[in-house]
Amino acid sequence: GQNIDQPTEMTATEGAIVQINCTYQTSGFNGLFWYQQHAGEAPTFLSYNVLDGLEEKGRFSSFLSRSKGYSYLLLKELQMKDSASYLCAVRDLLTGGGNKLTFGTGTQLKVEL
Amino acid sequence: DTAVSQTPKYLVTQMGNDKSIKCEQNLGHDTMYWYKQDSKKFLKIMFSYNNKELIINETVPNRFSPKSPDKAHLNLHINSLELGDSAVYFCASSQVPRRETQYFGPGTRLLVL
Repeated sequence: GQNIDQPTEMTATEGAIVQINCTYQTSGFNGLFWYQQHAGEAPTFLSYNVLDGLEEKGRFSSFLSRSKGYSYLLLKELQMKDSASYLCAVRDLLTGGGNKLTFGTGTQLKVEL
Repeated sequence: DTAVSQTPKYLVTQMGNDKSIKCEQNLGHDTMYWYKQDSKKFLKIMFSYNNKELIINETVPNRFSPKSPDKAHLNLHINSLELGDSAVYFCASSQVPRRETQYFGPGTRLLVL
């Protein structure tokens, strides 16, 4: 089975930096995704890591350590519109072929003035 | 222009009824998924089809029956609806064997009364 943990809620100030952590335990790790979901909307893809290290994409970066079962999403220069739920999702290779994506419960980020 | 579309967006129905949700993607992807997001915002995989073939079938009551007439469409039929079926149902698609980033539809908000 899988176990994915991330904080339920975080609050940060506009213009600041925030780091959202995700730890996971899985048997057939084949990549980690971060998605953003605004209230009432669909999840949208933010970042993908399959190898250890940092992936940077504008104000958003994601880090992965496979040996530690750990990832984080770093958001810089926070804006009010970044208030959303951030979902960590782990992809597993299935025994019979194919992949399965399992989502964490999400971290609700609130950006304040 | 819509990449992944679902109909209807909202569905309010009585317990015991049968209903269908439709999903279409114009991304040329060969894998499609159904997810259920409950009131606690937990997003859980239900089914996955690759080229019209079922590859993931999670522990879902057999009242739920997916159908994929072609690789661009994945429908979900639900028999004998129950109160606990109230949730948001998201369709998604991805391209195997590339990165397999999943792109989500706007969701169908189902309320069973």
